[in-house]
Amino acid sequence: QVQLKESGPGLVQPSQTLSLTCTVSGFSLTSYSVHWVRQHSGKSLEWMGRMWSDGDTSYNSAFTSRLSISRDTSKSQVFLKMNSLQTEDTGTYYCARNGNWEDYFDYWGQGVMVTVSS
Amino acid sequence: DIQMTQSPSSMSASLGDTVTITCLASQDIGNYLSWYQQKPGKSPKLMIYGATNLEDGVPSRFSGSRSGSDYSLTINSLGYDDEGIYHCHQYYEYPLTFGSGTKLEIK
Repeated sequence: QVQLKESGPGLVQPSQTLSLTCTVSGFSLTSYSVHWVRQHSGKSLEWMGRMWSDGDTSYNSAFTSRLSISRDTSKSQVFLKMNSLQTEDTGTYYCARNGNWEDYFDYWGQGVMVTVSS
Repeated sequence: DIQMTQSPSSMSASLGDTVTITCLASQDIGNYLSWYQQKPGKSPKLMIYGATNLEDGVPSRFSGSRSGSDYSLTINSLGYDDEGIYHCHQYYEYPLTFGSGTKLEIK
């Protein structure tokens, strides 16, 4: 069955770089896109970026040049790297699979909570 | 960016009630609108896509509709399992954006 699972450090110091991994199973990264979405304080969701099935990427300009998404198809993993972290980046980070036909999210990972604090 | 104005931000309803949550899009998004349910401590779950299409396995008590730029999620015959936060999401244009969420409490 389709599964996505995020992993990464729970605590990051301000100004440091966040590195997260999304490991997927039950589908191929060369057939489906994977998105990163974050959530502040348990309510509002924010789209961060997308790894397309062809390896291209799209980013939310709100993250300017801080964000980078990459993948390793042989390991079925998608990576998120975001630098210059601030306390406002505290939240839960999710990876989610793109729907079959349109750009909704049909499967989500469990999320990983990231706290930015010294 | 397309703004999705979601209302209400929170609501309380009784078992068996019918409730409606609305998202107003700041510009035309066609029917490129989905709804998610999120239980406490869990990830969002797709309920509706294409404004009106029920995701497989979602009870028929849930329905989506559109009137102009207003998109609604209606839940009939409320049960305790429907408690959570509901999010709308537009995927007509990048960046993809979400409403601010509606917290639904069952009395």
